[in-house]
Amino acid sequence: EAGVAQSPRYKIIEKRQSVAFWCNPISGHATLYWYQQILGQGPKLLIQFQNNGVVDDSQLPKDRFSAERLKGVDSTLKIQPAKLEDSAVYLCASSLFSHLAGGTRTYNEQFFGPGTRLTVL
Amino acid sequence: GENVEQHPSTLSVQEGDSAVIKCTYSDSASNYFPWYKQELGKRPQLIIDIRSNVGEKKDQRIAVTLNKTAKHFSLHITETQPEDSAVYFCAASRPHNDYKLSFGAGTTVTVRA
Repeated sequence: EAGVAQSPRYKIIEKRQSVAFWCNPISGHATLYWYQQILGQGPKLLIQFQNNGVVDDSQLPKDRFSAERLKGVDSTLKIQPAKLEDSAVYLCASSLFSHLAGGTRTYNEQFFGPGTRLTVL
Repeated sequence: GENVEQHPSTLSVQEGDSAVIKCTYSDSASNYFPWYKQELGKRPQLIIDIRSNVGEKKDQRIAVTLNKTAKHFSLHITETQPEDSAVYFCAASRPHNDYKLSFGAGTTVTVRA
């Protein structure tokens, strides 16, 4: 099956410029995640969508970062204006959404895209 | 929120030897612990996971152990091979925040031929 697609793969911008990243999840995956991975660190969740609704955006710097998933499929993440500390790899991941009987959620594996490496000069 | 610490940050082993990576977590409600492998320039990929209702899980040369009382879990790779060279991340999650993953900082494993 096709995996999670992301574009662009690389982006170099100057500080205070704007940038946008695109993600296409695996077909049928209702849950979509955006992570920021700074060099030498583990991925940090920025925002999580369930279909087109936001589940968790507690770690998204909302003064400069925004994300949307208007039709519940593709998603875009935008940074405006960018800062030097935004240099990182931005990973998109997706997973199925399923419930067990009684309303319990079951964990479904998150599949990651190749990421977009952002360099802010 | 959940805090996951991972040690060591780098690990060099001779081919054929074993590698062990340890992680601790802070939230006693966490009940799902996946391990991801990330090769240079590539995406993270799940290699093994464990749920809190078991203490150990094996998959060929890879095993994971979990100590809920001490709130730590470990990844064991036996008979290491050059293709095991990568960065390994542990993570912890609990169900009632929609399985949000909190990752450790990663361990760079180098297998010397």
